[in-house]
Amino acid sequence: NAGVTQTPKFQVLKTGQSMTLQCAQDMNHEYMSWYRQDPGMGLRLIHYSVGAGITDQGEVPNGYNVSRSTTEDFPLRLLSAAPSQTSVYFCASLDRLSSGANVLTFGAGSRLTVL
Amino acid sequence: AQSVTQPDIHITVSEGASLELRCNYSYGATPYLFWYVQSPGQGLQLLLKYFSGDTLVQGIKGFEAEFKRSQSSFNLRKPSVHWSDAAEYFCAVGYNTDKLIFGTGTRLQVFP
Repeated sequence: NAGVTQTPKFQVLKTGQSMTLQCAQDMNHEYMSWYRQDPGMGLRLIHYSVGAGITDQGEVPNGYNVSRSTTEDFPLRLLSAAPSQTSVYFCASLDRLSSGANVLTFGAGSRLTVL
Repeated sequence: AQSVTQPDIHITVSEGASLELRCNYSYGATPYLFWYVQSPGQGLQLLLKYFSGDTLVQGIKGFEAEFKRSQSSFNLRKPSVHWSDAAEYFCAVGYNTDKLIFGTGTRLQVFP
């Protein structure tokens, strides 16, 4: 199993450009989420999804769109990038239906710089 | 509002010394509690978790943490630090195991 795979690992954008950060998991997890990590602020939840066709906002959703057409994929879209979106982005997934305690599995991260 | 506080931004210890990283939370009820570690350029790896039961939990890499309800704390400890433990450590809490609130992290530096 590959776990949670994020692409690209690094990306540089100009202000106003759009792009999509890809996230895929091969563990058949229903729950997937996106966090951003900024110095001195820890990780903050952007959007999450509890299953295909269902998405919801987290703590810092502005400027980001998501969709969940399949169980495996949960892309994060920046429609018009801003320098404030310079950050490291982490995708995470979780199997909520399994019995017992389960925890988030994180991808390796995508570092985005907006000039 | 729910919050997680890691009061130490940066800690430096000598290899072989003991370590304690502090975590305090503000929550309406006893939450699920987690410690994650992030090595440079890597994702987050779970060290340990507390859901219920014994308040002293053991994790990977020789780490342990103790939940103290009266102090709303979940401090991470290791009796003898190794150079490979140098990383950033995050405490996280949640009502469930999914939508977690993370602390701001503590960066651990280990001197030989």
